[in-house]
Amino acid sequence: DTAVSQTPKYLVTQMGNDKSIKCEQNLGHDTMYWYKQDSKKFLKIMFSYNNKELIINETVPNRFSPKSPDKAHLNLHINSLELGDSAVYFCASSQFADPAYEQYFGPGTRLTVT
Amino acid sequence: AQTVTQSQPEMSVQEAETVTLSCTYDTSENNYYLFWYKQPPSRQMILVIRQEAYKQQNATENRFSVNFQKAAKSFSLKISDSQLGDTAMYFCAFMRRQGAQKLVFGQGTRLTINP
Repeated sequence: DTAVSQTPKYLVTQMGNDKSIKCEQNLGHDTMYWYKQDSKKFLKIMFSYNNKELIINETVPNRFSPKSPDKAHLNLHINSLELGDSAVYFCASSQFADPAYEQYFGPGTRLTVT
Repeated sequence: AQTVTQSQPEMSVQEAETVTLSCTYDTSENNYYLFWYKQPPSRQMILVIRQEAYKQQNATENRFSVNFQKAAKSFSLKISDSQLGDTAMYFCAFMRRQGAQKLVFGQGTRLTINP
């Protein structure tokens, strides 16, 4: 009965490869997010979707492409992986795109690019 | 743009002591929320407490309380009767109420509770 789940939890791959991280929430929330946590633990938002529509797109390289097939899923596809993409990626969801509603985070996916 | 600053990279206290984590922020917004998140070694992000800028009363959740000073743009977290399970990274975060609503995080404070 996990609220926000991510697969895989760990991902090790080589430079130049393409990989995807999947996120699913079973809370019935309308809004989903992707955050990146770098090696210094700094967290920064990458994308946000509300009802399958992109509402936040920070200055992220276009090698990163989010896809929301339905409200419960927000996947992150990364092309041509680089060493600097190594990080922990967190998916989160909230009932609405409003700070009055708590964001629930997934367990994170640790991506290591070699 | 909003910024959040946590000036204490690391803190360490003995179990049962009280500890205060500092956070300052910069914004021109008047309507916003502030949050403290906890990230234990399991890496799960957990909301500890939140404060709406329009509410003058400081938020409290059991052993956790905040000191919100809006004019000074300060938002500190006090943990009373600290427990070993409080050992974690603590992140202060800001979210505006209007416009693009995204969490803006501080750099984090690594808190260790010693037995």
